[in-house]
Amino acid sequence: NAGVTQTPKFQVLKTGQSMTLQCAQDMNHNSMYWYRQDPGMGLRLIYYSASEGTTDKGEVPNGYNVSRLNKREFSLRLESAAPSQTSVYFCASRGWDRGVEQYFGPGTRLTVT
Amino acid sequence: KQEVTQIPAALSVPEGENLVLNCSFTDSAIYNLQWFRQDPGKGLTSLLLIQSSQREQTSGRLNASLDKSSGRSTLYIAASQPGDSATYLCAVRTGNQFYFGTGTSLTVIP
Repeated sequence: NAGVTQTPKFQVLKTGQSMTLQCAQDMNHNSMYWYRQDPGMGLRLIYYSASEGTTDKGEVPNGYNVSRLNKREFSLRLESAAPSQTSVYFCASRGWDRGVEQYFGPGTRLTVT
Repeated sequence: KQEVTQIPAALSVPEGENLVLNCSFTDSAIYNLQWFRQDPGKGLTSLLLIQSSQREQTSGRLNASLDKSSGRSTLYIAASQPGDSATYLCAVRTGNQFYFGTGTSLTVIP
């Protein structure tokens, strides 16, 4: 099992450009999450999907959209990137397996200039 | 809104020392609390998960405790090693959402 995968690993955008971050999990989990991590701020929830076909806003949803394409895939879109969206983005899935509930991908490091 | 705080923000100890990391949360209505490790430039790896009905969990040299009523958890690391150097984050689950602390950056000096 690959677990949670994210693409791309690194990305540089100019202000105003758009892009989609991709996330996939092969653990048959129902719930998936997008977080951003900034220095001194910890991880903050952007959006989550409790099950296929549903999405909900988290703490910092402004400037982002999401799509739960199917049970495996959950994408995050920046329509018009801003320097304030420079961050590391993590995707996670939730399911119960041997004492672990949340599984994280390796992250996407995004810089907006 | 749930607020999660971790103290200290950074900690440096000599190899072999026992140490305690602290996590506090403001809303005691949680399902569980999870401790994660994050190495530089990497994702998060789960270390221990404590359900709200439990008081502690142990894995090897790690022991995590939970006092839900007072909104506190501790992560105890015994006989620290240089390989333990990383950032440690705690997270609580409320409903479908997880709330993270800002982490404790641990350096174990050989």
